[in-house]
Amino acid sequence: DAGVIQSPRHEVTEMGQEVTLRCKPISGHNSLFWYRQTMMRGLELLIYFNNNVPIDDSGMPEDRFSAKMPNASFSTLKIQPSEPRDSAVYFCASSPTGTGNTIYFGEGSWLTVV
Amino acid sequence: DAKTTQPPSMDCAEGRAANLPCNHSTISGNEYVYWYRQIHSQGPQYIIHGLKNNETNEMASLIITEDRKSSTLILPHATLRDTAVYYCIARRSGNTPLVFGKGTRLSVIA
Repeated sequence: DAGVIQSPRHEVTEMGQEVTLRCKPISGHNSLFWYRQTMMRGLELLIYFNNNVPIDDSGMPEDRFSAKMPNASFSTLKIQPSEPRDSAVYFCASSPTGTGNTIYFGEGSWLTVV
Repeated sequence: DAKTTQPPSMDCAEGRAANLPCNHSTISGNEYVYWYRQIHSQGPQYIIHGLKNNETNEMASLIITEDRKSSTLILPHATLRDTAVYYCIARRSGNTPLVFGKGTRLSVIA
């Protein structure tokens, strides 16, 4: 199994530019999660989807952030416009349906906004 | 989800068992105890989870007290590669997210 695949792995962009992070969940998984990790705030949940439907986006910091899941095998997290304080590692994770199910994480996208 | 409390850091000698405690005194009946770890610069890695009974897999053992208010993750023979931040999380059953705390930074020392 390929695991959760994220791209790009590293991105450096200028303030004000649009950033799009991509995630391919594990095949057959019904839930998808986006997290952000910084030194100051640790690992924070941004948004999660069940069966492609957003369930809780209360962790999305501002209107500059948006996430979509157009189908079961693809999700995007977009930041527009980006700011230096958005610099962080963004993790995507997925899990199958069921009680006591396990969530699997990708290797993250390292974003630096200068 | 119930709050969990973990010591901020621990040391363990290489080859010895690492016992990482976690307190979850307000855990509810439908919440599982999950353990993940994060090695520097990598995504969180699933270790083990349990509801009531003790669990063991190829990575670790999970001991849950009878009242379910605390648990211990045991790495039976710690190696330098086990140096990481370990997170104990109480999570409701179903398609719910993990809520991470600060975890325990385990340093395995040669």
